[in-house]
Amino acid sequence: EAQVTQNPRYLITVTGKKLTVTCSQNMNHEYMSWYRQDPGLGLRQIYYSMNVEVTDKGDVPEGYKVSRKEKRNFPLILESPSPNQTSLYFCASKRSGTASPLHFGNGTRLTVT
Amino acid sequence: QKEVEQNSGPLSVPEGAIASLNCTYSDRGSQSFFWYRQYSGKSPELIMFIYSNGDKEDGRFTAQLNKASQYVSLLIRDSQPSDSATYLCAVNGDTGNQFYFGTGTSLTVIP
Repeated sequence: EAQVTQNPRYLITVTGKKLTVTCSQNMNHEYMSWYRQDPGLGLRQIYYSMNVEVTDKGDVPEGYKVSRKEKRNFPLILESPSPNQTSLYFCASKRSGTASPLHFGNGTRLTVT
Repeated sequence: QKEVEQNSGPLSVPEGAIASLNCTYSDRGSQSFFWYRQYSGKSPELIMFIYSNGDKEDGRFTAQLNKASQYVSLLIRDSQPSDSATYLCAVNGDTGNQFYFGTGTSLTVIP
């Protein structure tokens, strides 16, 4: 089954404790990206990657890191989480090209206390 | 800041009626436009996308695009209670690499 898999689904952590949210896709997509979704603000792009070793900032990259060492994986790293990073996070992938739609993972609900 | 605007709703329609959802965008260089449906706590799922001016139909759904007016809409015919969800409009920027989402319109279909 073609899918984007995120782990974990739920995560509660404390301020400053480094964490990684994993994302993997089995569709051989070149493009992968991360979003956060907050009430009243909608989905906002954090980082995206057009291919292996190519990443770029989205609209809200502060406090996040990413890496793309393999085509199928695109982990999101929070080096020192803060409470304002409490949010619902989605990973997505798509084929290259402007007309290709995003395919979303199931989401990770992160709470930072 | 590139913006995508949607009426937040809630929009309520009776079962069997037509639901009309609207979206405007600020970047004239935008190339592709997407409608996603999102149930509470779930991930967005693609309904349809459009990149040429005019209408595109897929079953009960019709997307309409007017690039001159920077306007895209989604019509849902014969609305069903299972269509009750939040509908997200998404726009692909001129490079094709960045996506901008509206905050969504909440639709309730009343049986």
